[in-house]
Amino acid sequence: QKEVEQNSGPLSVPEGAIASLNCTYSDRGSQSFFWYRQYSGKSPELIMFIYSNGDKEDGRFTAQLNKASQYVSLLIRDSQPSDSATYLCAVTGKAAGNKLTFGGGTRVLVKP
Amino acid sequence: NAGVTQTPKFQVLKTGQSMTLQCAQDMNHNSMYWYRQDPGMGLRLIYYSASEGTTDKGEVPNGYNVSRLNKREFSLRLESAAPSQTSVYFCASSDRDSDYTFGSGTRLTVV
Repeated sequence: QKEVEQNSGPLSVPEGAIASLNCTYSDRGSQSFFWYRQYSGKSPELIMFIYSNGDKEDGRFTAQLNKASQYVSLLIRDSQPSDSATYLCAVTGKAAGNKLTFGGGTRVLVKP
Repeated sequence: NAGVTQTPKFQVLKTGQSMTLQCAQDMNHNSMYWYRQDPGMGLRLIYYSASEGTTDKGEVPNGYNVSRLNKREFSLRLESAAPSQTSVYFCASSDRDSDYTFGSGTRLTVV
């Protein structure tokens, strides 16, 4: 079982709609949770991080964390064609220090 | 410009050849990392260095060695390249889990 699991997609959404991405993790000791966006051929860039249960909003992005169920999600509101990319979920744990463990990524396609 | 610089950007090796991937950061970060990315696999940690003078294995260290030359530089060496090491390699640095900065990557093909 992979430590961090994501649906590989592609997740196809029409422009202006909400894209919903999910991520589950196996280590109950995981403490910090991250969403990265990666365009084809580019390096990952941090979109959001969340440490506590609940929702965290930043512009069109909302991260949701549920530690009891061991999942973290990302909502992208008013999706734009420029949001088309692969979204990587990553976690760190107490035992892992600052090391990030990544999921396989979900490819998102926003169609005009 | 502040950031993480990786060289080379592209490389083709023959099976059995050796090479060193270079990484340098100018953000004064303590920790540095080497990841590899294969299609559908996300990024997997090869080695990391929590601070100058220390290195530790990550998830997939076999076939690689690293050197933390100083606080700025962290190199990754392939002693005898194999086709299974064909991948995109990313170097990163950080001081906290929320300030990771990635280099632009090295695309390595082993034939």
